[in-house]
This record gives sequence, structure tokens and C-alpha cells, in this order.
Amino acid sequence: KNQVEQSPQSLIILEGKNCTLQCNYTVSPFSNLRWYKQDTGRGPVSLTIMTFSENTKSNGRYTATLDADTKQSSLHITASQLSDSASYICVVSDRGSTLGRLYFGRGTQLTVWP
Amino acid sequence: EADIYQTPRYLVIGTGKKITLECSQTMGHDKMYWYQQDPGMELHLIHYSYGVNSTEKGDLSSESTVSRIRTEHFPLTLESARPSHTSQYLCASSEGGQPARSYNEQFFGPGTRLTVL
Repeated sequence: KNQVEQSPQSLIILEGKNCTLQCNYTVSPFSNLRWYKQDTGRGPVSLTIMTFSENTKSNGRYTATLDADTKQSSLHITASQLSDSASYICVVSDRGSTLGRLYFGRGTQLTVWP
Repeated sequence: EADIYQTPRYLVIGTGKKITLECSQTMGHDKMYWYQQDPGMELHLIHYSYGVNSTEKGDLSSESTVSRIRTEHFPLTLESARPSHTSQYLCASSEGGQPARSYNEQFFGPGTRLTVL
């Protein structure tokens, strides 16, 4: 069964600190993995995307890693800001269908305190 | 910033009412999707479309229906709303063609928060 599991479920950090969010998946055949940021009451916005051959991708203060062998990914946020408070969703796409089906994790709810 | 719009953003209605959630995109994308999301839970695909006059049901069973008469427009309709339909509904779109070329990039609208009393 294709699944995406994220940890922790929620996280609270102080402004300026770093944090790392985890994602494990069982989706096969694997196409790509994305990290989305979803602000409360808004739609998800893509942060990074990685294919099978990529093991790291950065977008400003966000750095994602991918280990396709162990089927794990992480999202590292450096020097956190209050605006980083949001849900971070790991999304894995398969290449076994023309639709390009997406499998969503439940997200990690990050709260940054001043 | 993705050019995909949803209206209304918030809707509170009584049981038994018919509602239509609007979704429009100006990117010329062939594929469009409707997702349902409850708080703290993952997004569930309820409908999708490959293009005009193409609609399919997604993974999660839904009593809603959709139509795709124009490329840019993908409305979702509930004939008789019930409290169990209370949820957030997210619309998304992506390019057509081979998934590998576009990496299946889906752009999401802001969502409609539906509450049925």
C-alpha cells in the first residue's frame, strides 16, 4: 500500500532556531517527492521537488534531502522565522499512472514562537 | 504565485441546500483536481479531470459531482448538503502531457472552508 508518514506530528521552536522534519514513504514506483508549505486556511505551496537521482535541494532557508534507498526525506529549516509557522506536507508522486497520482502525508504542524 | 482561484472562501449553510464551489485557473492547465481535507489530516482526492468533458472520481468516495465544460473552470456541486460534508475543499491544476516532464506539479487554490449546520 502506498503511504507517506511524517514526523513529528507537531513541533514548537523558538524564532531563530533550526529544525528538521521527517518523511518516510512506501510509494512505488517512485517519481518525485515534494515538500509543501500550507498556511492555515490556505492551499499548499510547493517548496522543493526532488527526483530519484537528486539527494538534496535548497530553497532559501529550506533544504530538503532524499534517500531513495531507504525511502526517507527530510526538510531542514534554518534560522526560523515567525512566518514559518505552518503545516509542512510531504507529497510523493508515482510514475505508474498517467494521472501522476500524489500521495500526501498528514503534515507536521510547525509553530515558531518569538 | 499560482493563478488558481476558488470561491467562496468560506461558506456556512443549512442542511439540504444545494451548493456549488467554484474553481478557475488561468494557466491553461489540462488537468484539474478536487481534494477534501479535514483538520490535521491528509488531502484526499475526490475528483479529477484530464481535460474538457473528462471527469473521474478519486480515491475518496464523495457525494459531490463535478463538470468540466471549459478548460479553465472546474466547479464542484453538492445537491443536498449534510453536516458530514463539513470540510475544506481544495482545487488544484497541473499541466497535461507526460507526468515525468512536468513533475506533476500541482498548483493549489486557497480552498473553500464549508460548514453545514
